[in-house]
Amino acid sequence: NAGVMQNPRHLVRRRGQEARLRCSPMKGHSHVYWYRQLPEEGLKFMVYLQKENIIDESGMPKERFSAEFPKEGPSILRIQQVVRGDSAAYFCASSRAGGLYEQYFGPGTRLTVT
Amino acid sequence: KNEVEQSPQNLTAQEGEFITINCSYSVGISALHWLQQHPGGGIVSLFMLSSGKKKHGRLIATINIQEKHSSLHITASHPRDSAVYICAVPPNSGGSNYKLTFGKGTLLTVNP
Repeated sequence: NAGVMQNPRHLVRRRGQEARLRCSPMKGHSHVYWYRQLPEEGLKFMVYLQKENIIDESGMPKERFSAEFPKEGPSILRIQQVVRGDSAAYFCASSRAGGLYEQYFGPGTRLTVT
Repeated sequence: KNEVEQSPQNLTAQEGEFITINCSYSVGISALHWLQQHPGGGIVSLFMLSSGKKKHGRLIATINIQEKHSSLHITASHPRDSAVYICAVPPNSGGSNYKLTFGKGTLLTVNP
């Protein structure tokens, strides 16, 4: 049973470009969470999605960031017009259901903005 | 928001030693998570526990809900245990349990 998959593992973008990060949840999981880990900082919640629905995006920056989890395919975290401050590790996690269920984390995508 | 404090921030041990990492939080919760992150690596969920004690191999996690405190123990530590250990808690014991707040982590180095 494959775990949570994220790709790419490393992504380099120039300032102003777009970054697309993908997350495929574990089989049987329909709930996805995105977290960001800035250098020398702890993990921070960004957004919680179910299939085709954004449940809670209170941790997402108001501009340039968006997330989706379509009926088919992976969840996508999209960052438009990236800036150097977006350089971070982005982790997604998935769970079987919402609420207090164990979240399983992916390997992360390390975004570097040059 | 639930405030999470971990101690110690850094811990160096010799192979074979018994390790304890502590986590305290400010708001009552239903369950707490312990995670492991290797340098430059991904995150592994070690435990989610809501009461008492859980054991997995050489790892033991305990929680005292009344005292708002949890500990992670590693018995017979090994260099491959070297990693950052992170505790994470939901905001409270009610809704939004998915919205975890993470401690800053404890960097464990086990020397051979």
